[in-house]
Amino acid sequence: EVQLVESGGGLVQPGGSLRLSCAASGFTFTTFWMAWVRQAPGKGLEWVANIQPDGTAQYYLDSVKGRFTISRDNAKDSLYLQMISLRAEDTAVYYCARYPSPNPYYFDYWGQGALVTVSS
Amino acid sequence: QSALTQPASVSGSPGQSIAISCIGTSRDVGNYKLVSWYQQYPGKAPKVIISDDTKRPSGVSDRFSGSKSGNTASLTISGLQAEDEADYYCCSFAGSGTWVFGGGTKVTVL
Repeated sequence: EVQLVESGGGLVQPGGSLRLSCAASGFTFTTFWMAWVRQAPGKGLEWVANIQPDGTAQYYLDSVKGRFTISRDNAKDSLYLQMISLRAEDTAVYYCARYPSPNPYYFDYWGQGALVTVSS
Repeated sequence: QSALTQPASVSGSPGQSIAISCIGTSRDVGNYKLVSWYQQYPGKAPKVIISDDTKRPSGVSDRFSGSKSGNTASLTISGLQAEDEADYYCCSFAGSGTWVFGGGTKVTVL
C-alpha cells in the first residue's frame, strides 16, 4: 500500500525557517517524480515544487523561488521541503504528492498534509 | 503561473448532470494534453478522478468524464449523487516543469 506521511509542520514567525519531511512507503521511491502542493486555509490547491527521481532537477512556483528548496534522500525514501524567509501568505497545509511512473502527468497519491502557520 | 479559472460553485439535483469549466491559456491547458481533475472532501487530501484530459483512473466512477476544447477543459458529473458534494479542482502542466491549479469549484447537491 502506497503511503506518504508528512511531518515537520508547526507555528513559525515571519522570516523564520521550517523543514517539512515526507516519508514514503509501499513503492519504489527512486523511480517516481515527487511534489509539494499547498492549500491555504479555505483556499484552493497550489503547486509549490517538484523533483525528478534522481534529484538532479527541481522546479518551483515563482513566489517561492529562492526561499524554498525541494530535495530527496532516495536511500531513506524521503522527500523534503526546506522553507526560509517565511511569510504570512505561506500559511497552508502542505501536501506531499506522487506523480505516477512512467508518465508523471498528474498526482496519483497524496499524503494527509502538514499545517504550516506563519504568524507572530 | 496564473491560476486556471473555474466557477466558484455549481449545483444540481440528484440524477442530473452538471459540468465544471476550467479556463486556461495556450501556454497551459491549450498546449498540452495534461489536464487532470481532483475531488476533495473537507479536511481530506485530494483524489484524482480524471487524468490526461479525458482518462479515468482505475476505480473512478464512470459518472465522471473529462473533455477539452481549445483552452477550456471541462468535467462532467452525470447522475449526480449526494456523495458527489465536494470541491473539484482542475490542474494543467504549464511548461518548464511547472503545474497550475484552478481556483476550485464547490459542488452542491440540492
